[in-house]
Amino acid sequence: KQEVTQIPAALSVPEGENLVLNCSFTDSAIYNLQWFRQDPGKGLTSLLLIQSSQREQTSGRLNASLDKSSGRSTLYIAASQPGDSATYLCAVPSSGGSYIPTFGRGTSLIVHP
Amino acid sequence: NAGVTQTPKFRVLKTGQSMTLLCAQDMNHEYMYWYRQDPGMGLRLIHYSVGEGTTAKGEVPDGYNVSRLKKQNFLLGLESAAPSQTSVYFCASRPLAGANYEQYFGPGTRLTVT
Repeated sequence: KQEVTQIPAALSVPEGENLVLNCSFTDSAIYNLQWFRQDPGKGLTSLLLIQSSQREQTSGRLNASLDKSSGRSTLYIAASQPGDSATYLCAVPSSGGSYIPTFGRGTSLIVHP
Repeated sequence: NAGVTQTPKFRVLKTGQSMTLLCAQDMNHEYMYWYRQDPGMGLRLIHYSVGEGTTAKGEVPDGYNVSRLKKQNFLLGLESAAPSQTSVYFCASRPLAGANYEQYFGPGTRLTVT
């Protein structure tokens, strides 16, 4: 059974810092890995999708990397802003059969001015 | 494109009452999912569907039923609500199995059972 762990569980940083959020998973036979953002009281918004054949994806100040063999992904946020404050979740579906992703419990990020 | 929508946004039920949560997507997606999110527990899959007319159990299916009579709609039913079902419920959808498709989420339904 796939297990997904996100470290740290919470993070509070001053504006402008570069951040690294970590996601680890136990079963490396995966389709892809998806990073989401969740604002308080809202649904999940997709940030980045990395296919299993890729090593990284970039969107603006966000860069996500994937190392299947070690079961890890990192989300790098450059020059953090207060608007980046949210919970960040990663989701990993094991390959084969139906697409059923397992979610980590998320990293709660606060960026203060 | 409205994406994934959920009805209602909020609901308060008394123990033993029943209700149906509606999820609708206008993206012609095959897969649809119902999750619940509780503090400290993360997102847990209740039921899912891989296409019109199909349903399957997820991690926490007890106390819930689902139906997918039309491809665009996925209904979650609570026949006899219990306080343990107080939670935020999210619906999600995805085009197909395959590595390059994203999962999309609705805004959630906040349910309180007293």
